[in-house]
Amino acid sequence: DVQLVESGGGLVQPGGSLGLSCAASGFIFSRYAMSWVRQAPGKGLEWVSVISGSLSHIYYADSVKGRFTISRDNSKNTLYLQMNSLRAEDTAVYYCAKFYDSTDSFMADWGQGALVTVSS
Amino acid sequence: DIVMTQSPDSLAVSLGERATINCKSSQSVLYSSNNKNYLAWYQQKPGQPPKVLIYWASTRESGVPDRFSGSGSGTDFTLTISSLQPEDVAIYYCQQYYNTWTFGQGTKVEIK
Repeated sequence: DVQLVESGGGLVQPGGSLGLSCAASGFIFSRYAMSWVRQAPGKGLEWVSVISGSLSHIYYADSVKGRFTISRDNSKNTLYLQMNSLRAEDTAVYYCAKFYDSTDSFMADWGQGALVTVSS
Repeated sequence: DIVMTQSPDSLAVSLGERATINCKSSQSVLYSSNNKNYLAWYQQKPGQPPKVLIYWASTRESGVPDRFSGSGSGTDFTLTISSLQPEDVAIYYCQQYYNTWTFGQGTKVEIK
């Protein structure tokens, strides 16, 4: 079974930085595109960033471009999200999600999420 | 960006009755070269991550009950729950993956 376990969430001050990790298991990690999707409290879903299995394609939502960096280590089966210059509006549960196959598809499996709170 | 608009925002349906959720995209998500609609439906229950129900607009994910069905093409899509069960209480989202990825605002389904 696919397992995705996020870690690294917490409370950070505006302007600060935080890193999230997603440990993946149950599938051949390097073959699949991966993504981060966030959900602000009581709000809907917003895709944040996507990375292909080969690292050749990386995408960011306009709302985080220039501040967030997605990466992956296929040898460790781990996805990362480095978040800098955090704002109050970045407060959300951040989900790690595995694509059905390539980036030309949808998020097929999701982790339980990590809460990031940006507040002074 | 492609904007996804769902209707209604919420609906209350009696147990055993049909629930219908609509989703409209601001531009077509039908890819002409393979005749596939790049449209998925997700279910999210309180305190849980989303779960994919339907992809390619009408393909049911493995393990999803057959009371869930998806239809539509181009810019207009529908998720139908043919006979609402208590465990179907959730928020439902449509998502396009034709050009990056965007979600509808969600439709909350409750029991009447």
